[in-house]
Amino acid sequence: GENVEQHPSTLSVQEGDSAVIKCTYSDSASNYFPWYKQELGKRPQLIIDIRSNVGEKKDQRIAVTLNKTAKHFSLHITETQPEDSAVYFCAASYMNYGGSQGNLIFGKGTKLSVKP
Amino acid sequence: NAGVTQTPKFQVLKTGQSMTLQCAQDMNHEYMSWYRQDPGMGLRLIHYSVGAGITDQGEVPNGYNVSRSTTEDFPLRLLSAAPSQTSVYFCASSQRQQGARAFFGQGTRLTVV
Repeated sequence: GENVEQHPSTLSVQEGDSAVIKCTYSDSASNYFPWYKQELGKRPQLIIDIRSNVGEKKDQRIAVTLNKTAKHFSLHITETQPEDSAVYFCAASYMNYGGSQGNLIFGKGTKLSVKP
Repeated sequence: NAGVTQTPKFQVLKTGQSMTLQCAQDMNHEYMSWYRQDPGMGLRLIHYSVGAGITDQGEVPNGYNVSRSTTEDFPLRLLSAAPSQTSVYFCASSQRQQGARAFFGQGTRLTVV
């Protein structure tokens, strides 16, 4: 089955700096890669996602890149702000044989701290 | 539009007790799933369903049962709670299609003593 590795487990940056979180996946059939942000005591919230036919996607200060050959994808946050402090999860999903949706398999998370 | 609703938000059980965690969605999503979240372990898939009457096991199914009698509801049952099942449980739903976005409920924090 699919396995997703996420690094680093903790990341501390100064406000205004950039933050990068990296994930690797094992199943070359995976074709959908979302990123979730989870604030303390809250539910995971989708912040950006990318599909396997796209190499990069941006949404304001957030971007995700995908390298299918190397089977890794990354989250980039520019001009970080204190409200970006949270736990970030990457995930991978694939289309099952028969065409039904695959399951989301998550990395173990990265705790991002943005210091004012 | 409430999205994905979980009840209860908090629960304390004694070892050996049984209970059902409720999950309901009003988005007409075919795909629903249950995850547990433990410190440093991320979100691990317990069970999932691709439609009414269809369920299957995820990564960590032992000790849990599910059923899917309607599109809207996907309850998770603990038949005999154990301290190892102390965790935060999240239900999620999405459309059943390639690259469908998943939406999570607010979670249930379960403590087994």
